[in-house]
Amino acid sequence: DQQVKQNSPSLSVQEGRISILNCDYTNSMFDYFLWYKKYPAEGPTFLISISSIKDKNEDGRFTVFLNKSAKHLSLHIVPSQPGDSAVYFCAASALHGGATNKLIFGTGTLLAVQP
Amino acid sequence: GAGVSQSPRYKVAKRGQDVALRCDPISGHVSLFWYQQALGQGPEFLTYFQNEAQLDKSGLPSDRFFAERPEGSVSTLKIQRTQQEDSAVYLCASSLAGLADKDTQYFGPGTRLTVL
Repeated sequence: DQQVKQNSPSLSVQEGRISILNCDYTNSMFDYFLWYKKYPAEGPTFLISISSIKDKNEDGRFTVFLNKSAKHLSLHIVPSQPGDSAVYFCAASALHGGATNKLIFGTGTLLAVQP
Repeated sequence: GAGVSQSPRYKVAKRGQDVALRCDPISGHVSLFWYQQALGQGPEFLTYFQNEAQLDKSGLPSDRFFAERPEGSVSTLKIQRTQQEDSAVYLCASSLAGLADKDTQYFGPGTRLTVL
């Protein structure tokens, strides 16, 4: 049972335009969400996170939006640059009752930014 | 080093061999995680250490998988009698905070294990 879903395996965007990557989750106990970027042959690199008490977090060109009622989050990249081309993973964790802060990952979305 | 390091980066094993994968977390990081990433999938949790204590091993797929972190820093993931289905990238991550805190996990480059 996939608790974190990224339904778009790939996305192609023109340089300078907005990239929107989507993620849905099913576990209402998740309270912390993260986005990671991954280049081939490298480990995931942390991009941005959001706590469930917020609905938006911004860091430079990256903004994450959280809609708890819809169990949906999205990552906006504006403006998109060719160097942003990578696989993007959405991840979630639930911290309650002493549970491990393990991350549950989606399957990733391959973003290609065309020059 | 500044980041999480893992060795070896690539490992080829014959079916039935034992392998040991090493992780050097960021200095001072309390928490250490192991994940397994199959081709085309996201990383999946294997096990968690807070310092030297293994607090969660619920993700280990079988008793052939064993992990340790004896001095609360370097960790080793050992796989005994490797099978073809063990072929994957094994990722290590560390974070500064302990069990009860939200914190960013920083990943190493991974070890790609291929079992022939």
